[in-house]
Amino acid sequence: RKEVEQDPGPFNVPEGATVAFNCTYSNSASQSFFWYRQDCRKEPKLLMSVYSSGNEDGRFTAQLNRASQYISLLIRDSKLSDSATYLCVVNILSRNTNAGKSTFGDGTTLTVKP
Amino acid sequence: GAGVSQSPSNKVTEKGKDVELRCDPISGHTALYWYRQRLGQGLEFLIYFQGNSAPDKSGLPSDRFSAERTGESVSTLTIQRTQQEDSAVYLCASSLDSVSSGNTIYFGEGSWLTVV
Repeated sequence: RKEVEQDPGPFNVPEGATVAFNCTYSNSASQSFFWYRQDCRKEPKLLMSVYSSGNEDGRFTAQLNRASQYISLLIRDSKLSDSATYLCVVNILSRNTNAGKSTFGDGTTLTVKP
Repeated sequence: GAGVSQSPSNKVTEKGKDVELRCDPISGHTALYWYRQRLGQGLEFLIYFQGNSAPDKSGLPSDRFSAERTGESVSTLTIQRTQQEDSAVYLCASSLDSVSSGNTIYFGEGSWLTVV
């Protein structure tokens, strides 16, 4: 089983739709969580961090459920420019080094159509 | 520079040749990662350096792959006797890697390798 799992999609939605992605992680010692966005043939870039209480950035809402070990990303009022691959990232703190190691999911592909 | 810098940005090599890819992380970042990404696929973890700790080499696909890092600066990824299956973009990333910093990872633009 992979440490971080995502539904690969693709998700094809019309403009204006609301779409949600989930990501599950296997290591309960995971410390911090992020969503990254990757455009075609580009490097991944940070979209937003995910906080325990949930957080919102404009049309994007991220939530964390530690008990069930999953995080989610909700995109409201989808735009054509939201078309990309969304990567879930989980950081696990190493007791040996007192530093974290980040693990990426394989990503969920979103296509927003006119 | 302000970001993670990788070179070369593009490399075409003949099967069987060795290649060396370079990564300059963001200054002060103790953690450095190498990933491989084949076209249309997810990120494949290769190796992780963290400060002076022994690197996590668990993702290296074969003994043809190796990586070095000098202190907390430049890293090089070497692929010996390249095969066509090695064709991919090789992404380097670094992070400040402390709990207080949130461990955000920053990527370079990648080195696109084509083995012919």
